[in-house]
Amino acid sequence: EDQVTQSPEALRLQEGESSSLNCSYTVSGLRGLFWYRQDPGKGPEFLFTLYSAGEEKEKERLKATLTKKESFLHITAPKPEDSATYLCAVQVRGGGGNKLTFGTGTQLKVEL
Amino acid sequence: GAGVSQSPSNKVTEKGKDVELRCDPISGHTALYWYRQSLGQGLEFLIYFQGNSAPDKSGLPSDRFSAERTGGSVSTLTIQRTQQEDSAVYLCASSFQLAGGETQYFGPGTRLLVL
Repeated sequence: EDQVTQSPEALRLQEGESSSLNCSYTVSGLRGLFWYRQDPGKGPEFLFTLYSAGEEKEKERLKATLTKKESFLHITAPKPEDSATYLCAVQVRGGGGNKLTFGTGTQLKVEL
Repeated sequence: GAGVSQSPSNKVTEKGKDVELRCDPISGHTALYWYRQSLGQGLEFLIYFQGNSAPDKSGLPSDRFSAERTGGSVSTLTIQRTQQEDSAVYLCASSFQLAGGETQYFGPGTRLLVL
């Protein structure tokens, strides 16, 4: 069974204090790994897609990396507006169809 | 351009009543997905449409849940004889569908509360 585990469940940072969120996955065959940001009361907002080990993508203060077992979302010098829940999801090849299997998310709070 | 839209934003119903939730995907997106997000749990897949057909219904939790899509566009998720455990946020997403791995874009969700 495909599994996605995110850690930590919650993270509190001071503004400017860099850190990383982890997404570990166990799948039969990875088609893609997706990162989303979700603000309270809203739907998930797409951030990145990674397709193969060694791939990296960046957007502003965020950088996503991928290995064969896990993905990291690195947040450099975060600001309060980066506070949100960050969701990781995988799409698998073959019989898994096109659905996304999500982790339970990391709730990030960035304080002044 | 316009994103995925869902209606209603919020729905409060009584146990045993039927509810219909609507999703308007991004124009041109052939694939449409329904997910459910319960308090303290991750998003769980319900059903996937490619055009008007549903090749994957594996996530529907019971036969009280059904969905349809017409004209390759709008989709409706229907829950019959609602139960309190159906209370959740129902999210719709859409994507192009080429070889797989395409990004799914989510709507704002419908918050369902069953009293």
